[in-house]
Amino acid sequence: GQNIDQPTEMTATEGAIVQINCTYQTSGFNGLFWYQQHAGEAPTFLSYNVLDGLEEKGRFSSFLSRSKGYSYLLLKELQMKDSASYLCAVRDYGGSQGNLIFGKGTKLSVKP
Amino acid sequence: GAGVSQSPSNKVTEKGKDVELRCDPISGHTALYWYRQSLGQGLEFLIYFQGNSAPDKSGLPSDRFSAERTGGSVSTLTIQRTQQEDSAVYLCASSSPALADTQYFGPGTRLTVL
Repeated sequence: GQNIDQPTEMTATEGAIVQINCTYQTSGFNGLFWYQQHAGEAPTFLSYNVLDGLEEKGRFSSFLSRSKGYSYLLLKELQMKDSASYLCAVRDYGGSQGNLIFGKGTKLSVKP
Repeated sequence: GAGVSQSPSNKVTEKGKDVELRCDPISGHTALYWYRQSLGQGLEFLIYFQGNSAPDKSGLPSDRFSAERTGGSVSTLTIQRTQQEDSAVYLCASSSPALADTQYFGPGTRLTVL
């Protein structure tokens, strides 16, 4: 079967660092994506990993280990506006295209 | 440039009625996807169009659901004889091979079936 697991909720303090983990079991693998979704809004793209290692983009970084079926999203210098759901998604299609399999999302609350 | 647009933003209908949801992808994007998101659930894949190829309909939950894409651009998702369990946010996304086929989402249509 196909399964994407991530924590349901997390809480962190403004200015701190938080790591959101994601584990996956899929029939194939061709990329892992992280999206941010504010309440009532559409998901917005944050990061994409297809090779092992760390991808850094400003305050956000994403890590992938294909052998472990594991990824994390690291958010630094948290701001109140980072309060949102963070969605982990895997593309398991054989080619470069195809639908994404999404986890249920991690709701992050940033407290003052 | 313009992003993915969807209409209507909200739709309230009565059980048993048919509804049509529209998606305008980003210009030049060859792939188009429909997902739905129910309260407290992850995004659920429905259907995927790639160029002129036959669509991947593997995610459609029943034969009441269908979608078409005209001219390789605009897509319409049709739900016939709506049921209360169809209530959800329906999200459309598009992608281009030039951008690693990263999917960019529209604002969604919130469907409520009474």
